[in-house]
Amino acid sequence: EAQVTQNPRYLITVTGKKLTVTCSQNMNHEYMSWYRQDPGLGLRQIYYSMNVEVTDKGDVPEGYKVSRKEKRNFPLILESPSPNQTSLYFCASSLWGLRRDTQYFGPGTRLTVL
Amino acid sequence: AQTVTQSQPEMSVQEAETVTLSCTYDTSENNYYLFWYKQPPSRQMILVIRQEAYKQQNATENRFSVNFQKAAKSFSLKISDSQLGDTAMYFCAFMKHPQAGGTSYGKLTFGQGTILTVHP
Repeated sequence: EAQVTQNPRYLITVTGKKLTVTCSQNMNHEYMSWYRQDPGLGLRQIYYSMNVEVTDKGDVPEGYKVSRKEKRNFPLILESPSPNQTSLYFCASSLWGLRRDTQYFGPGTRLTVL
Repeated sequence: AQTVTQSQPEMSVQEAETVTLSCTYDTSENNYYLFWYKQPPSRQMILVIRQEAYKQQNATENRFSVNFQKAAKSFSLKISDSQLGDTAMYFCAFMKHPQAGGTSYGKLTFGQGTILTVHP
């Protein structure tokens, strides 16, 4: 089954404790991205990657890091989480080029930073 | 930069009736995609319908249809014969067409969302 998986689905942590949210897709998609969803703001892009070893900032990259060492994986790293990073996070993937319009979303990760 | 605005934070409708959700956007692009996504309580993002800006014909998917007014930069979603399972948050989203080039490859710009409740 074609899917995007994220782990963990729920996470409660404390300020400053490094964490990683994993994202994996099994569709051989080139393009992957991370979004955060906050009430009243919709979803906003954090980082994206056009292929292995090619990443760039989205609209709200501060406090986050990403890496793309393998095509299928695109982890989101919070090296020193703060309470303002409490949010719902989504990973998404798609093919590149003209087929880029169909994005597949993961199930979401609810992060709470105390 | 593109912006997407959904001015209705909440809407409600009776089962079997029709409801229209509003969305306006601002862009200097001429070629782009517009989407409506549904987010039920499970939080999964589900694509409801897609419109390509260069197509004048409004997209339809079963009970879902859009009214795309390119000059007015308006993109509303009509849900006919509303069902209890339609209860969800609905997001309007914009994406530049791949042929437009430039940065923001593949980025979706979302509106704030509209919570739709279907009452029995």
